[in-house]
Amino acid sequence: EIVMTQSPATLSVSPGERATLSCRASQSVSSNLAWYQQKPGQAPRLLIYDASTRATGIPARFSGSGSGTEFTLTISSLQSEDFAVYSCQQYNNWPPYTFGQGTKLEIK
Amino acid sequence: QVQLVESGGGVVQPGRSLRLSCAASGFTFSNYGMHWVRQAPGKGLEWVALIWFDGTNKYYADSVKGRFTISRDNSKNTLYLQMNSLRAEDTAVYYCTRLAGNRVYNWFDPWGQGILVTVSS
Repeated sequence: EIVMTQSPATLSVSPGERATLSCRASQSVSSNLAWYQQKPGQAPRLLIYDASTRATGIPARFSGSGSGTEFTLTISSLQSEDFAVYSCQQYNNWPPYTFGQGTKLEIK
Repeated sequence: QVQLVESGGGVVQPGRSLRLSCAASGFTFSNYGMHWVRQAPGKGLEWVALIWFDGTNKYYADSVKGRFTISRDNSKNTLYLQMNSLRAEDTAVYYCTRLAGNRVYNWFDPWGQGILVTVSS
């Protein structure tokens, strides 16, 4: 099973600033990685797939990069609605599909 | 628009059974594989099961294998999760979600709103 590790667990950033979230895989997942956003009491929402492709309707301030074992989600200029929990997920080797434990992005 | 609506959750005693349903609309249900994903309180997401578009292939997480069964009724546009021998650690919000991508490389999009299952005596 591929273990996904996200860092940091919590990230405090001011609105308008850039946020950089990291995700590491225990073995290579190529570019088969997705990112999800989850707000309290809501279902996850797909942001990025194939490591860097934005899902339909996702603003351009969200970008993904990386391949192999190291991945990054960058939010270029934080808006109030961006404060949420972000999770990465690999789909290179399944079953099982595996998620990171999440990074909580909070307002500084 | 695509909608996935879960139902059937609630409080159940350890060792008992429960069946979740997910009603799909806004797309051709019979063309898509479907997953169940769960999230224990305050925890991360955990994939539970996958069923192929035609029901021919099913996959399970080790944590539920032999206890849970995923199925679908394409004539009713509905996905199911039969959960037997429930344990306290099965307590979670259960989401149904559609397979996106292709048969080999696929992710989850979109998601239902989730349904809470609580296993407690």
